[in-house]
Amino acid sequence: GENVEQHPSTLSVQEGDSAVIKCTYSDSASNYFPWYKQELGKRPQLIIDIRSNVGEKKDQRIAVTLNKTAKHFSLHITETQPEDSAVYFCAALRIQGAQKLVFGQGTRLTINP
Amino acid sequence: DSGVTQTPKHLITATGQRVTLRCSPRSGDLSVYWYQQSLDQGLQFLIQYYNGEERAKGNILERFSAQQFPDLHSELNLSSLELGDSALYFCASSVMPHYEQYFGPGTRLTVT
Repeated sequence: GENVEQHPSTLSVQEGDSAVIKCTYSDSASNYFPWYKQELGKRPQLIIDIRSNVGEKKDQRIAVTLNKTAKHFSLHITETQPEDSAVYFCAALRIQGAQKLVFGQGTRLTINP
Repeated sequence: DSGVTQTPKHLITATGQRVTLRCSPRSGDLSVYWYQQSLDQGLQFLIQYYNGEERAKGNILERFSAQQFPDLHSELNLSSLELGDSALYFCASSVMPHYEQYFGPGTRLTVT
C-alpha cells in the first residue's frame, strides 16, 4: 500500500524567512497530493493541493511542487509569519482504486519572532 | 468553519464501554471519512463511505464499526474500549471520493 514519508519532523525558522517541508510517496499511481495545517487542538485545514497533471501550484505565500519521476512533493512557505506556526501534514491519494488518503507523519513548524 | 459537524466534542468513558460518534457532512457532500489521531501522532485513516456504501477501509479495528445513513450523516461505533483508544476522532467529507476533504472539529475520546 501507499506510504508517505515527511521531513523534517520539526522546523524552526525566523519570521520573514522561508520554510520548506518535503514528502515522498511510494505508490506511483498516486495522483492527488493535499497539504493540511493543524493548529493545536483544532481540525486539520486544507491549505493547498496539487494533482499529478501539474508540477507546481501557488497561492499567495504558499506553493507546492511535485516531481512525479522522483515521487516527491514539497510545501514552500515564503515570508513566514507567527500565525504560520502549526503542524503541517502532507498526504497522497490514488484516485483510481482504494482512494485512501495516506498522511505523512507531520512537521511541527515554529516561527520565531 | 468547514461545514462538517461532529458530536459530541468531548467524551469520557471507562474501559469496556461502547460509544457512538456522530458526523454530519457539508451540504452536498456524499463521501464521509473517519480518521483517528492519537497524541502526537499523525492521522490514521479508518474508513470511508460514499452515498451510504462502504468504499474503503484502513486500519480500523474489528471492535470499531461505522455506517452512513440515507441522510448522509455517519456514525462511528467504538466498543470494548481500551485505554489505547483514547484519541481525537475526526470526520471529513468531500463531494466525491477523490475530491478535497474537509475536516470536522473532532471528538476527543478519553478512556479511563
